[in-house]
Amino acid sequence: RKEVEQDPGPFNVPEGATVAFNCTYSNSASQSFFWYRQDCRKEPKLLMSVYSSGNEDGRFTAQLNRASQYISLLIRDSKLSDSATYLCVVHGGFKTIFGAGTRLFVKA
Amino acid sequence: GAVVSQHPSRVICKSGTSVKIECRSLDFQATTMFWYRQFPKQSLMLMATSNEGSKATYEQGVEKDKFLINHASLTLSTLTVTSAHPEDSSFYICSASAQGGTEAFFGQGTRLTVV
Repeated sequence: RKEVEQDPGPFNVPEGATVAFNCTYSNSASQSFFWYRQDCRKEPKLLMSVYSSGNEDGRFTAQLNRASQYISLLIRDSKLSDSATYLCVVHGGFKTIFGAGTRLFVKA
Repeated sequence: GAVVSQHPSRVICKSGTSVKIECRSLDFQATTMFWYRQFPKQSLMLMATSNEGSKATYEQGVEKDKFLINHASLTLSTLTVTSAHPEDSSFYICSASAQGGTEAFFGQGTRLTVV
């Protein structure tokens, strides 16, 4: 089993749609969780951290369920500029592991 | 956020030669640096983790004699791809984190093409 697993995608959605990404991790001792965004041929950039209490940043909401070892990202009112690959990232034991990423295509 | 500079951004080399990629933390002390490789349409794969002043820890399947990692200072780590082959062509990215830091900051990436 992979240490971090994500929905395979791609997700093709129209502008304005709501889309949700899921991610599971295998190491129960993992300490920190993040969602990164990666545009084609560019380095990943931090989108948001994920807290047990859940957190929201504008149109983006991230949630963590430690008991189920599950992380989610919800994007509301999708924009064309949201098209990218979204990476679930888990940090723990001095190691940062990336999920395979989920590609999102937002179309007009 | 903190700045990590990776150099070069793009390199083309001949088979059998060695290539060195540098990763510098510009405004913080990076006690831990990570090196990743990403093949087209695939995910970022962790190659190794290095802590300043000690030997790098390599992930399973990554040849430590082929991918030499040096983390001699708190602001610089290097990855040397020795005796490069075309199958080593990939996008290599470093990230760095400070002691106790939970966030990692990424370099711009290096696109290596071996011909």
